[in-house]
Amino acid sequence: GAVVSQHPSWVICKSGTSVKIECRSLDFQATTMFWYRQFPKQSLMLMATSNEGSKATYEQGVEKDKFLINHASLTLSTLTVTSAHPEDSSFYICSARGQRQPQHFGDGTRLSIL
Amino acid sequence: AQSVTQPDIHITVSEGASLELRCNYSYGATPYLFWYVQSPGQGLQLLLKYFSGDTLVQGIKGFEAEFKRSQSSFNLRKPSVHWSDAAEYFCAVGVDQGAQKLVFGQGTRLTINP
Repeated sequence: GAVVSQHPSWVICKSGTSVKIECRSLDFQATTMFWYRQFPKQSLMLMATSNEGSKATYEQGVEKDKFLINHASLTLSTLTVTSAHPEDSSFYICSARGQRQPQHFGDGTRLSIL
Repeated sequence: AQSVTQPDIHITVSEGASLELRCNYSYGATPYLFWYVQSPGQGLQLLLKYFSGDTLVQGIKGFEAEFKRSQSSFNLRKPSVHWSDAAEYFCAVGVDQGAQKLVFGQGTRLTINP
């Protein structure tokens, strides 16, 4: 079946640093990738949608300059949390879909900002 | 606005017992409906989906769901649960053409008693 790999699975960093999270579709071409944020014991909140080769579309309330998304190829999208602060600590999940396919999710990245 | 409601935050059933997780949606057009399962600290795995056709949908791991338009429901069922089914379950509706964007319910946490 379709596999989406997310890396790293867990990252701890100091406040003020930037963190990059990668999302790769391993066995299919992902025309669209999605980035979600999940708070403890809550549902997934869509942050942005990215299509290969074009700018990401951000949901209302999501800071574009804080959460930089790049979708440079059909198999890779990256989320960079810039100048991260403790309130950015969360579980970030990506998903990817190809043509006429449902979304397939990565295993998530737990981000802890000290 | 589109929304998904999972009325039960937490359900406990005994191993071997039957299971039904409720999901109600609010969406003006024909919905694309999904059930996902999430184990602790991991991403989401697709259990099943409904796009059109037969309203009883079979999924993986012995799960099934029935789409009832008159009740705006898409309940998930399993005749006999296993301890490994303990997880968080999310119902979702695709809210744009081609189900690109998903709106998730709040999730139902399933606990299995031995």
